[in-house]
Amino acid sequence: SSELTQDPAVSVALGQTVRIICQGDSLRNYYVSWYQQKPGQAPVLVIYSKNKRPSGIPDRFSGSSSGNTASLTIIGAQAEDEADYYCNSRDSSGNDLYVFGTGTKVTVL
Amino acid sequence: QVTLRESGPALVKPTQTLTLTCTFSGFSLTTSGMCVSWIRQPPGKALEWLALIDWDDDKYYNTSLKPRLTISKDTSKNQVVLTMTNIDPVDTATYYCARIGIDGSSSFYFDYWGQGTVVTVSS
Repeated sequence: SSELTQDPAVSVALGQTVRIICQGDSLRNYYVSWYQQKPGQAPVLVIYSKNKRPSGIPDRFSGSSSGNTASLTIIGAQAEDEADYYCNSRDSSGNDLYVFGTGTKVTVL
Repeated sequence: QVTLRESGPALVKPTQTLTLTCTFSGFSLTTSGMCVSWIRQPPGKALEWLALIDWDDDKYYNTSLKPRLTISKDTSKNQVVLTMTNIDPVDTATYYCARIGIDGSSSFYFDYWGQGTVVTVSS
């Protein structure tokens, strides 16, 4: 399968802005979705169709995408945003149907 | 209200066959466009997509695991079952089932997840 690459970890000061990057060839053909996962919990969808938020997701979460790169931005990060974040898309390589990113640990300082 | 719940053994011996059941409510796998997937996460590692079954009984598998996986559905019970043969300690993971959401022709995402079931492979 093709890969989706993410930085392993990023940190952000409370109330500041953090951007999480996801890169992969599949993003040229399919929209990315983003998932937040807190320790011991199932992932939660936070962004889909590049920049749509499910009901209940705060508007400080936003997404964008261009070419083979997608990003999740948290504007005004809160302590409760500290979590692992995974990107995901359909796999355009023709092997697997879906592929997940390698994950980014976000620490709120 | 959409819910999914995984069930299965917590401990499996190497070489055995693992059978996991996803029981869902709030939607029907007989509805056109509906799909359910299995995803796993080894301890401390990333999510890995395993398999998908759709309303039309089409099935898709992770290429590297395909020889060992079988996904099936029982629409009368609102269940999706995943079997994995020849289990190995590297298959130790939390196994999730999730529903696929679709938005247009190029946007597919996992909109609802179960809480996951932890499977440990050890003799």
